[in-house]
Amino acid sequence: QQQVKQSPQSLIVQKGGIPIINCAYENTAFDYFPWYQQFPGKGPALLIAIRPDVSEKKEGRFTISFNKSAKQFSLHIMDSQPGDSATYFCAASKGAQKLVFGQGTRLTINP
Amino acid sequence: DAGVTQSPTHLIKTRGQQVTLRCSPKSGHDTVSWYQQALGQGPQFIFQYYEEEERQRGNFPDRFSGHQFPNYSSELNVNALLLGDSALYLCASSTQGYTDTQYFGPGTRLTVL
Repeated sequence: QQQVKQSPQSLIVQKGGIPIINCAYENTAFDYFPWYQQFPGKGPALLIAIRPDVSEKKEGRFTISFNKSAKQFSLHIMDSQPGDSATYFCAASKGAQKLVFGQGTRLTINP
Repeated sequence: DAGVTQSPTHLIKTRGQQVTLRCSPKSGHDTVSWYQQALGQGPQFIFQYYEEEERQRGNFPDRFSGHQFPNYSSELNVNALLLGDSALYLCASSTQGYTDTQYFGPGTRLTVL
């Protein structure tokens, strides 16, 4: 019940395309769902986060869609750029407690 | 405003040795969490410290221990190192009761030979 399942494992998109990364969770006690971006050799950097009382949140080119009944959430990157090439992790937590991470998606944006 | 800092950046140890990793939280943060990230995997929660006490613990053996100091900085200690302990160790800081956001440091890359 503590798992967060993320897909796909890897994704290749042309510049300007809209990569979509999906996550599913089981624990209905989770109430905080962040997305992190990680470059090789660096720590994860927070991109955007959402709570289950809203269905969508947009910050710049990044959008989270949240489906509470399906226990799923996804990240969309608009107008993707080669600089967006990184590994993306979804996560979930109950309040400020431990983050449970997905397995990660390695995203490549081709020029 | 300095973010989360960790030291050292890299560390090489041999099996059976002990290691101490250090973390300074983001200014204004009082909670420190430690995560282990194996190559190609998502971070796994080790434990969280608040008010100098361990508040939560993940599925890690007692060889992993920690400490939080009055200035909110923290240490992670690993005893009797195993080859499988080779990983990137990440520290994240947050503020209890104010925000659920955890900000990560750059990590310490530990290699056990």
